[in-house]
Amino acid sequence: AQSVTQLDSQVPVFEEAPVELRCNYSSSVSVYLFWYVQYPNQGLQLLLKYLSGSTLVESINGFEAEFNKSQTSFHLRKPSVHISDTAEYFCAVSALNQGGKLIFGQGTELSVKP
Amino acid sequence: NAGVTQTPKFRVLKTGQSMTLLCAQDMNHEYMYWYRQDPGMGLRLIHYSVGEGTTAKGEVPDGYNVSRLKKQNFLLGLESAAPSQTSVYFCASSLTSGRASDTQYFGPGTRLTVL
Repeated sequence: AQSVTQLDSQVPVFEEAPVELRCNYSSSVSVYLFWYVQYPNQGLQLLLKYLSGSTLVESINGFEAEFNKSQTSFHLRKPSVHISDTAEYFCAVSALNQGGKLIFGQGTELSVKP
Repeated sequence: NAGVTQTPKFRVLKTGQSMTLLCAQDMNHEYMYWYRQDPGMGLRLIHYSVGEGTTAKGEVPDGYNVSRLKKQNFLLGLESAAPSQTSVYFCASSLTSGRASDTQYFGPGTRLTVL
């Protein structure tokens, strides 16, 4: 079985400051890793995902995440956040041969203040 | 191209009432999923479907039933609603044969309150 732990339920940060949202996972088989974002009153949308290859993956809006197999982590970072980044962020894993089912973490609420 | 749509957006039920949530996708996706989102618990899979006419249980299926009579629609039913089913329900779909690498596309959600 797989599990995902997001270590911070809420992260308040000032605009233009750097941020890191932490995610650790547990699995006995190989997994793919995802970050989804949920803006207020909307559904989830994919931010980025790690499938294979380079352990650093980037999104189009400046976020990046690094897959660390030894630490079973997939932390999300952004060097300078904007007010518009205020949202809830979910880390998720999907195991091979599991029909594409996602296991989600509890979510981290990022609040960017001016 | 509307993507994934959900009907209704909001609903209030009394304990014991029944209702059906409708999910529709226009992307010709094979796989569809129903999740519930509760504070501090992330999203949990209720049921999913690997194609028209087939459904399977997820992590928290009790108290729910589903049907996939048409490829583009996935219905979630509550036969006798309970306060514990107060939640936000999300439908999602993915393109191909449920590969672990597939991106899931989510609807806007249905907020259900059971009194």
